Amino acid sequence: AQKVTQAQTEISVVEKEDVTLDCVYETRDTTYYLFWYKQPPSGELVFLIRRNSFDEQNEISGRYSWNFQKSTSSFNFTITASQVVDSAVYFCALRGASGANSKLTFGKGITLSVRP
Amino acid sequence: EAGVTQSPTHLIKTRGQQATLRCSPISGHTSVYWYQQALGLGLQFLLWYDEGEERNRGNFPPRFSGRQFPNYSSELNVNALELEDSALYLCASSLQGGNTEAFFGQGTRLTVV
Repeated sequence: AQKVTQAQTEISVVEKEDVTLDCVYETRDTTYYLFWYKQPPSGELVFLIRRNSFDEQNEISGRYSWNFQKSTSSFNFTITASQVVDSAVYFCALRGASGANSKLTFGKGITLSVRP
Repeated sequence: EAGVTQSPTHLIKTRGQQATLRCSPISGHTSVYWYQQALGLGLQFLLWYDEGEERNRGNFPPRFSGRQFPNYSSELNVNALELEDSALYLCASSLQGGNTEAFFGQGTRLTVV
């Protein structure tokens, strides 16, 4: 069975602070995919990134960066110089390559509040 | 290109009634997923359809059912509504295969009174 754990439930920072959202996953699949989604107050989940299990290269996109470490089964997300617009719930998700595991399994989400 | 669209946006039903929620996937996507997001419970997987077939089902009672039509749009039906069915129901679509992103609609807010 697949599992995603987001141990942090709520994080509050002041604007311009850096913040890291943690994600730990469990799977028996050798090939799998990891995702981060953002859910603003409007409710719609917005896709942020996909990372394949065979590609441990970290990625940076503007103020966002992701650190994938297979050895610790973690896929952490860092927002640099946070802004009020970053306030949202952030979900980490896992998906297997095929079969029943190819549904998206989500963590419980982290509510990020960025104060001005 | 149009994204995933869900209708209605809001739905109010009485306990015991039936609710039907609809989802139109992104053009070219054959997989449709349904998730329930109840307050404080995160995103719970409901159903997955691909190429018209039900591929997987979450841990929900049989009164939650659905189908996928030949044009890949999908319907979620909830029979004998209970108060705890009140939630945001999110639909997502993707291409086949795990190495593709799933894109979500704006959701249907179901309220059971």
